[in-house]
Amino acid sequence: SQTIHQWPATLVQPVGSPLSLECTVEGTSNPNLYWYRQAAGRGLQLLFYSVGIGQISSEVPQNLSASRPQDRQFILSSKKLLLSDSGFYLCACALVRTGVREQYFGPGTRLTVT
Amino acid sequence: LAKTTQPISMDSYEGQEVNITCSHNNIATNDYITWYQQFPSQGPRFIIQGYKTKVTNEVASLFIPADRKSSTLSLPRVSLSDTAVYYCLVGAVTGGFKTIFGAGTRLFVKA
Repeated sequence: SQTIHQWPATLVQPVGSPLSLECTVEGTSNPNLYWYRQAAGRGLQLLFYSVGIGQISSEVPQNLSASRPQDRQFILSSKKLLLSDSGFYLCACALVRTGVREQYFGPGTRLTVT
Repeated sequence: LAKTTQPISMDSYEGQEVNITCSHNNIATNDYITWYQQFPSQGPRFIIQGYKTKVTNEVASLFIPADRKSSTLSLPRVSLSDTAVYYCLVGAVTGGFKTIFGAGTRLFVKA
């Protein structure tokens, strides 16, 4: 079965500093990958999704970017963090098995921008 | 992607059956309906998926009327541990890559 790893688990960064969050997937190949952000008490906001290496679709063009350098690696970056970037960042992969499409989520990264 | 509308919150008591309804008036022909559960500080977890009529698994049932413009997640005999946020999503199973989570329904189960 697939496993999604995210690190770090928690992060405190000052405004204006860079960001790099990494997500890796085990147990499957060529997955669809996603980055979501969840503000406190809110729903999930889709940030980026990728259907393959180097293929990134952006839903939030602000100060965040994503890259997929390898099949099972998805990276979320920022050159300069904003206070509004604080939140819970979740990486997910989507798999279709026996006609059912599921998204599997990683443990998340709690980012606090100060 | 079809937009979904759910109640913001619901309260229930242990042992009761809980039904959460989701509205998706613009659902497309090839869209499926999927429900997820999320606990605090965790990622959502898949509950159930269906296309039409009724689907049942070991944790829930999903009722979808013939017009497919709404769906109802049914949780039998809830317990305190079912307190969570429940999300309804609509989208294609194959060939569809973009997924949108709405605000979800916060279910509070009381003793």
